[in-house]
Amino acid sequence: QKEVEQNSGPLSVPEGAIASLNCTYSDRGSQSFFWYRQYSGKSPELIMSIYSNGDKEDGRFTAQLNKASQYVSLLIRDSQPSDSATYLCAVDTGTASKLTFGTGTRLQVTL
Amino acid sequence: DTGVSQNPRHKITKRGQNVTFRCDPISEHNRLYWYRQTLGQGPEFLTYFQNEAQLEKSRLLSDRFSAERPKGSFSTLEIQRTEQGDSAMYLCASTQGPLGYGYTFGSGTRLTVV
Repeated sequence: QKEVEQNSGPLSVPEGAIASLNCTYSDRGSQSFFWYRQYSGKSPELIMSIYSNGDKEDGRFTAQLNKASQYVSLLIRDSQPSDSATYLCAVDTGTASKLTFGTGTRLQVTL
Repeated sequence: DTGVSQNPRHKITKRGQNVTFRCDPISEHNRLYWYRQTLGQGPEFLTYFQNEAQLEKSRLLSDRFSAERPKGSFSTLEIQRTEQGDSAMYLCASTQGPLGYGYTFGSGTRLTVV
């Protein structure tokens, strides 16, 4: 079982819709969770972090964490074509010295 | 500081040659990480420094790979006797203090071994 799992997509949503991206993780000791956005040929860019169960909102982005079910999700409201990218989920177990990344979900926002 | 700086941006080398990449972290960041990313995959951890000490190395880091961070400032990643399988994006990231704040990545070095 992979430590951090994401559906590779592509996930296609129309402009203005809500995009929902999901991630599951295997280590119950995980403490910090991150979403990175990566445009083709570019490096990952941190867009959201979440540490506690529940929702965390930042502009059009909402991160959701459920530690009991070991999943974290990212909602993007009012999706724009500029949101088209690969979204990477990353997890910090708290006892390790590094983040573990999923393979990413490719999001396509269509006009 | 404007961020994490990596050089070169692109490197094409012949199989069997040695290559060296450089990373300049954000100046106040004491932790520095190297990751490798291949097409369609997420970044994979290679190694990590806290100040000048290399504290962890991945099993992915074979004997052909070596990393240094003299004086806890910039870092170099050297690959000896490159192989085609080494072709990837090499990413450097830095952070200050607890890992829970996440990383700031540099723009990466794309290595192509021909």
